[in-house]
Amino acid sequence: LAKTTQPISMDSYEGQEVNITCSHNNIATNDYITWYQQFPSQGPRFIIQGYKTKVTNEVASLFIPADRKSSTLSLPRVSLSDTAVYYCLVGLNAGGTSYGKLTFGQGTILTVHP
Amino acid sequence: GAGVSQSPSNKVTEKGKDVELRCDPISGHTALYWYRQSLGQGLEFLIYFQGNSAPDKSGLPSDRFSAERTGGSVSTLTIQRTQQEDSAVYLCASSPRASGGINEQFFGPGTRLTVL
Repeated sequence: LAKTTQPISMDSYEGQEVNITCSHNNIATNDYITWYQQFPSQGPRFIIQGYKTKVTNEVASLFIPADRKSSTLSLPRVSLSDTAVYYCLVGLNAGGTSYGKLTFGQGTILTVHP
Repeated sequence: GAGVSQSPSNKVTEKGKDVELRCDPISGHTALYWYRQSLGQGLEFLIYFQGNSAPDKSGLPSDRFSAERTGGSVSTLTIQRTQQEDSAVYLCASSPRASGGINEQFFGPGTRLTVL
């Protein structure tokens, strides 16, 4: 399984855009990149997933360069409620007969200040 | 609709006792995962069930840990002869048959296990 490296913590302020970058140098051809968010005392929650280039949904964007050795989660205009731990994961994605076994690293603690 | 549920929400036990943790996945989800999260740490994969296939047990830390999934639905994680280092939050997740390449895992609230 591909190992991921991301910053341990980040600080931001309300209304700012936050970009969290994750390194995954040994990502495999079939691996997808997924980001999860976790609040205290809750299970993680899926944010976004992608394979290459850019993916955007209602809460975030995911930027993946051509070599796929890193990815950047972008959170537009964060609020206090975005304070959480953000996990970057890579793993074999479902699409055929195999389903994703994901490895969670330490995650990035994002703190949004007023 | 109903999400993933886990029971009990909290379990306190004495060292050496056996415990059973239950997970009810979202109806229709074919994949089920168990993870463990120690205080301040990331999630550690334990075991993965996919339909009727043999489970992937590669993450189980010792032979004291076992899990089963009956009828492709409810799963039970059993820890025998619990040790203090087993204290953690045990999280269950399920995911549907994917379409369009997305494999989103839906997590339950977890069971907080404390071994005294």
